[in-house]
Amino acid sequence: EAGVAQSPRYKIIEKRQSVAFWCNPISGHATLYWYQQILGQGPKLLIQFQNNGVVDDSQLPKDRFSAERLKGVDSTLKIQPAKLEDSAVYLCASTEGRGGKDTQYFGPGTRLTVL
Amino acid sequence: AQKVTQAQTEISVVEKEDVTLDCVYETRDTTYYLFWYKQPPSGELVFLIRRNSFDEQNEISGRYSWNFQKSTSSFNFTITASQVVDSAVYFCALASNNAGNMLTFGGGTRLMVKP
Repeated sequence: EAGVAQSPRYKIIEKRQSVAFWCNPISGHATLYWYQQILGQGPKLLIQFQNNGVVDDSQLPKDRFSAERLKGVDSTLKIQPAKLEDSAVYLCASTEGRGGKDTQYFGPGTRLTVL
Repeated sequence: AQKVTQAQTEISVVEKEDVTLDCVYETRDTTYYLFWYKQPPSGELVFLIRRNSFDEQNEISGRYSWNFQKSTSSFNFTITASQVVDSAVYFCALASNNAGNMLTFGGGTRLMVKP
């Protein structure tokens, strides 16, 4: 079974530029999560989707970050404009259900460097 | 609010030594789920184990074992006879339905196993 796919794996941009990350969850997984992992820290949830609807985006900096999952499958996370502090690894995860018991499976991440 | 604390930021051992990674959690929920993930240098978070709050049985999987103690709110992870391939950052995480099944991660413990 294919795992969570993410692209690109690495991205370097200058501050104030925009960037987009793509995620394809495990087939059949209804719930999709985006996390931000700053170097030396644990991942922090940015947004959670259930099918194509947003369940929790309370920690998403909405002035510059946006995310969508239009058809309930793959998802895009965008940053516009980027700041230096956005340098981090952006991880996508998916689960079959929505309960806390459901194990989240993670993709390889996109490492973003903002210069 | 939920919180996970991994007090050991970095541990260094010599191959074949046993090592225990500590995890202490805080939650007001009576039903919750605890996880351990491994993050090798490649960056992907690899699921290791999930434990339910109502199941305090310890678990062993090969060289890995987990000790869950509700009385001390701890979920420690022991690697027996460590190997160089065990070198990674290990994260403990907590989820509960009342918290929207958001995974709350600890800060991680970097384990270095030297030959």
